[in-house]
Amino acid sequence: GAGVSQSPRYKVAKRGQDVALRCDPISGHVSLFWYQQALGQGPEFLTYFQNEAQLDKSGLPSDRFFAERPEGSVSTLKIQRTQQEDSAVYLCASTAHISSYEQYFGPGTRLTVT
Amino acid sequence: AQKITQTQPGMFVQEKEAVTLDCTYDTSDQSYGLFWYKQPSSGEMIFLIYQGSYDEQNATEGRYSLNFQKARKSANLVISASQLGDSAMYFCAMRESQGAQKLVFGQGTRLTINP
Repeated sequence: GAGVSQSPRYKVAKRGQDVALRCDPISGHVSLFWYQQALGQGPEFLTYFQNEAQLDKSGLPSDRFFAERPEGSVSTLKIQRTQQEDSAVYLCASTAHISSYEQYFGPGTRLTVT
Repeated sequence: AQKITQTQPGMFVQEKEAVTLDCTYDTSDQSYGLFWYKQPSSGEMIFLIYQGSYDEQNATEGRYSLNFQKARKSANLVISASQLGDSAMYFCAMRESQGAQKLVFGQGTRLTINP
């Protein structure tokens, strides 16, 4: 079966542009997470969905970051007016059930803001 | 607040030797989970092993074992009989069992296996 997929794998944006990053979780997985991983660092939590409900967005660094999962499957992370400090790898992960502990990660989207 | 500390930025080991990657954590919660993930150069995070805070036995998964010392708040990863394919970044992470589902990661250790 297919794992978590993310697109695009690489994105170059000019400062000030808006970008949209897509995550396709494993089919049927209830929970979905977004993490941001700066170069040489561990991933940092951004936001969490349970089905279509965004239950935790405490990690979003500013109001330029917005995430949605309208039908409880595919999720989009949108960054408005990108800044250089937004350059990072954005990782998506999903879990089968609320009580599941293993998060399955996608390959990430590497965003470079120039 | 939760915190994970990995004090080894890089480790170099000869093939077939065992290696221990250090991880200490800080939490005020009684119920939590500890994880190790491997991140090869391709970027994907690969789950290796999990230890629950109430598990009395150390977790093992094939060549991976987790040396859990609760009183010292340490959760070191032991890889036995290392292989060239083990070269990667390794991250320790923690999750509270109640409330937030998010993982909190350490800074990582880059492991290089030499032939």
